[in-house]
Amino acid sequence: SAVISQKPSRDICQRGTSLTIQCQVDSQVTMMFWYRQQPGQSLTLIATANQGSEATYESGFVIDKFPISRPNLTFSTLTVSNMSPEDSSIYLCSATSAAGYEKLFFGSGTQLSVL
Amino acid sequence: QQPVQSPQAVILREGEDAVINCSSSKALYSVHWYRQKHGEAPVFLMILLKGGEQKGHEKISASFNEKKQQSSLYLTASQLSYSGTYFCGTEAMDTGRRALTFGSGTRLQVQP
Repeated sequence: SAVISQKPSRDICQRGTSLTIQCQVDSQVTMMFWYRQQPGQSLTLIATANQGSEATYESGFVIDKFPISRPNLTFSTLTVSNMSPEDSSIYLCSATSAAGYEKLFFGSGTQLSVL
Repeated sequence: QQPVQSPQAVILREGEDAVINCSSSKALYSVHWYRQKHGEAPVFLMILLKGGEQKGHEKISASFNEKKQQSSLYLTASQLSYSGTYFCGTEAMDTGRRALTFGSGTRLQVQP
């Protein structure tokens, strides 16, 4: 199994600023993902973080707004840029340790509030 | 496309059973089930692969009907610890990726 450390756990930010969320996994994983979860809602996939190349974004999410890096197999960052109150949400990092049909491990999440 | 979960919410007494359903309009590689408690990250329960298998551990089991692209999660003799929101996550055959699409969730509350 993999343990995912995510930080910060929560932050309150001003409109127009940016926040970078870090995700560190304690073992090598093949796939890393970023999800967003509104309170009481489901998890929505933002993007797949690809090692050494540009992330693969889902419909409705763009690189300029959510730049993602993954410099190695165990670390990824998600930046929420030019924030607005609509970006207030929980952001979850997740990873799987095999190429498919394996469970997702989740970080504890970053609760973001934008004023 | 998001899988459809039903029911949206369930209230049980300890010891009662529940079934949560997950239906997809797409052909699926696999269906995952997760449970999330308030303020915590989702926790993996089980995976079912295409082939219509059934899995289970302790009093929680699940099935996957490949022909209907439907999965059901069975909670037997529920315990207070079963309370939380249950999500199914599907891996569709047309996506070519390993990212899951999650259903809207089923909120389960077990009362003493």
